[in-house]
Amino acid sequence: DAGITQSPRHKVTETGTPVTLRCHQTENHRYMYWYRQDPGHGLRLIHYSYGVKDTDKGEVSDGYSVSRSKTEDFLLTLESATSSQTSVYFCAISASTDTQYFGPGTRLTVL
Amino acid sequence: GENVEQHPSTLSVQEGDSAVIKCTYSDSASNYFPWYKQELGKGPQLIIDIRSNVGEKKDQRIAVTLNKTAKHFSLHITETQPEDSAVYFCAASAGKSTFGDGTTLTVKP
Repeated sequence: DAGITQSPRHKVTETGTPVTLRCHQTENHRYMYWYRQDPGHGLRLIHYSYGVKDTDKGEVSDGYSVSRSKTEDFLLTLESATSSQTSVYFCAISASTDTQYFGPGTRLTVL
Repeated sequence: GENVEQHPSTLSVQEGDSAVIKCTYSDSASNYFPWYKQELGKGPQLIIDIRSNVGEKKDQRIAVTLNKTAKHFSLHITETQPEDSAVYFCAASAGKSTFGDGTTLTVKP
């Protein structure tokens, strides 16, 4: 398995609170991605990074921000969590723009 | 942007039968088509992929076919086993991947 870890693995929080999810890789891959997975919607891209401090928006970026200060870490922040952001969040890494390897996921519940 | 449709959403087969999952895509620039298997509580795992310069690829019981003209590609699993039960996702990529909504495959012993 690709060396990807996500933390925390589970989180319950309240509406309006800030939340940060972390993705850590040991593969030194250039590209990192954040997806959310909801029933009936497959995997939808939130944000991605193509290098340190280089990030761009995906199809469902509203309400989310990201940062990548080191090659190995990609952080996803929900500035003010809402119930619609209850989901399972997956990080993925890629050495190029094709094959992606996924982390184990973070289950986030916003009450 | 790219749009990927995946069918069926659920598929139930008897052990030993074959299973076929189909996907269509809209962007003719897409040139990479991976398939992922996701078991309960885990992240998706790449099982096979195909590039636009290849029409078919096989890996043991799994095969993928690509028809660029029709913009569709399919996953074929032969001699299915209970451990093949999972959710399968297709994706199409022209740099960024767009995923289908997934197929829940159940293999009955």
